[in-house]
Amino acid sequence: DGGITQSPKYLFRKEGQNVTLSCEQNLNHDAMYWYRQDPGQGLRLIYYSQIVNDFQKGDIAEGYSVSREKKESFPLTVTSAQKNPTAFYLCASSERGSTDTQYFGPGTRLTVL
Amino acid sequence: GQNIDQPTEMTATEGAIVQINCTYQTSGFNGLFWYQQHAGEAPTFLSYNVLDGLEEKGRFSSFLSRSKGYSYLLLKELQMKDSASYLCAVRGGGSYIPTFGRGTSLIVHP
Repeated sequence: DGGITQSPKYLFRKEGQNVTLSCEQNLNHDAMYWYRQDPGQGLRLIYYSQIVNDFQKGDIAEGYSVSREKKESFPLTVTSAQKNPTAFYLCASSERGSTDTQYFGPGTRLTVL
Repeated sequence: GQNIDQPTEMTATEGAIVQINCTYQTSGFNGLFWYQQHAGEAPTFLSYNVLDGLEEKGRFSSFLSRSKGYSYLLLKELQMKDSASYLCAVRGGGSYIPTFGRGTSLIVHP
């Protein structure tokens, strides 16, 4: 089955700790994205990558870092510099084409205690 | 950037029809998406409009008017499982990445 997986579904961390969220896709999509969703807010773009070994900052990249060493994988690290990291994190991918429709993973809910 | 406006919440009755509106302001409009998102789950793609007019897919239809900066999602024969948030996302401003609105929470009651 083709799709996007994110793990874990729920994640708890102590304040001051870095944490890495996993995102894997087997859709052979070139582009991958990370979004953050807070209650009552739309999806806000953190980082995106159009090809392997290349990525760009989105609207709210401060306190986050990413890597894209493989086409299938786009992990997101939430660093201790992120002031308010508790949120629902969504990974997406798309095939570069006329519509570039994004397909989303199931999300990771991160709670920083 | 893009400015996208959707109602925060709507309620409707099972079996009825509901229309969720989305207005936007952007330069270089290049497509509008609708997604459905159940609480705590991933958004799932519903429709894509880039030309004016109505696109129909079963119980769901989406309409676009580029001159008015306006779209709506029409849901017919509402079912309880249609209770979800509906996200409007607009692509424009020279970027291929859409900007998402805050979403409309639809509550369907018996």
